[in-house]
Amino acid sequence: DQQVKQNSPSLSVQEGRISILNCDYTNSMFDYFLWYKKYPAEGPTFLISISSIKDKNEDGRFTVFLNKSAKHLSLHIVPSQPGDSAVYFCAASAQGAQKLVFGQGTRLTINP
Amino acid sequence: DAGITQSPRHKVTETGTPVTLRCHQTENHRYMYWYRQDPGHGLRLIHYSYGVKDTDKGEVSDGYSVSRSKTEDFLLTLESATSSQTSVYFCAIKGGGWNTEAFFGQGTRLTVV
Repeated sequence: DQQVKQNSPSLSVQEGRISILNCDYTNSMFDYFLWYKKYPAEGPTFLISISSIKDKNEDGRFTVFLNKSAKHLSLHIVPSQPGDSAVYFCAASAQGAQKLVFGQGTRLTINP
Repeated sequence: DAGITQSPRHKVTETGTPVTLRCHQTENHRYMYWYRQDPGHGLRLIHYSYGVKDTDKGEVSDGYSVSRSKTEDFLLTLESATSSQTSVYFCAIKGGGWNTEAFFGQGTRLTVV
């Protein structure tokens, strides 16, 4: 049973445009959400997070939006740059549970 | 970069042999995790540790065991390797409260032939 789902395996975006990556979850106990970025042959690196008491968190070109009623979060990257080409994983955890549950990942390709 | 090292980085082994992967941290973090990454499945938790000698199973723990005799080391053992365990294995560490991020190692690519 996949508790965190990224339904788009891949996404292609023009350089300079906005990239929007989506993630859905089913467990209503999740209250902390994260995005990780992964380049080939490297480990995932933390990008940005949001707790359930917020609906938006920004860090430079990256913004994460959380819609608790829809159990949906999204990552916006604007403007997109070639170095953003990577696999992006969303993850979630529940208070009191120190485990992160990950989605399947979305491969983002930024085209020049 | 977080002080986390995985060894070996690459390994090829034969079906039926035992294999041990090592994760070493220098951050003194309480929590350590082993994940595997497979196409279409993302990162799936194998086992995790919440302290020395304190471990618990994740969602794909069958065929794997772990040990943590020191804060800094977390070992993952494949008791009898199978081809289905061919994967990329990532160790992660996490300190602090529930609302903190985990830091990942660079991964171990394991091929079982």
